[in-house]
Amino acid sequence: DIQMTQSPASLSASLGETVTIECRASEDIYNGLAWYQQKPGKSPQLLIYNANSLHTGVPSRFSGSGSGTQYSLKINSLQSEDVASYFCQQYYDYPYTFGAGTKLELK
Amino acid sequence: EVQLQQSGPELQRPGASVKLSCKASGYTFTEYYMYWVKQRPKQGLELIGRIDPEDGSTDYVEKFKNKATLTADTSSNTAYMQLSSLTSEDTATYFCARAYSIYILEIWFAYWGQGTLVTVSS
Repeated sequence: DIQMTQSPASLSASLGETVTIECRASEDIYNGLAWYQQKPGKSPQLLIYNANSLHTGVPSRFSGSGSGTQYSLKINSLQSEDVASYFCQQYYDYPYTFGAGTKLELK
Repeated sequence: EVQLQQSGPELQRPGASVKLSCKASGYTFTEYYMYWVKQRPKQGLELIGRIDPEDGSTDYVEKFKNKATLTADTSSNTAYMQLSSLTSEDTATYFCARAYSIYILEIWFAYWGQGTLVTVSS
């Protein structure tokens, strides 16, 4: 199975700041990567697919990049509603695997 | 509009079994795999497996092969997951999810149920 290593595990940032979350795959996943946002008590919500495509309705301050084994999610101009946990997922090869998550808090 | 409606929270004793449901609407149920995902309290997400409702074929992640049983009822557009021999390790929220499309390169999880909390306690 492909292992997904996500960092950092937690992150504290101020409103208006730019934050970056990283995800590394144990092998090339050819951009088969999605990012999800999850708020407490809710189901995960899709943000990014194909490593860099923004899902419908997701604010443009979210962006994804990367290739091969290294990927990142960037949030520009952090808003209070962005406080959540974020997960990466590879869907290049079954079983699809998730990163351990990043908990984003306000400083 | 695609919707996945999951059954309510469960409190079960150790050693018991539980069957969760996920009722799909807004699309043709037999055209898409249904996936099941486990999330332990304040933990990450783990794929359990998937079922093809068209023919009932299943693919389980190795660690869940003796724990979960996936089925689907095409007459009611409902997917089920039975968890057996429950222990405290099974205390978690379980989500059903559907991929964006049927094509192998478009398997991101665009649709999620609201989750079912299973608590295992004596």
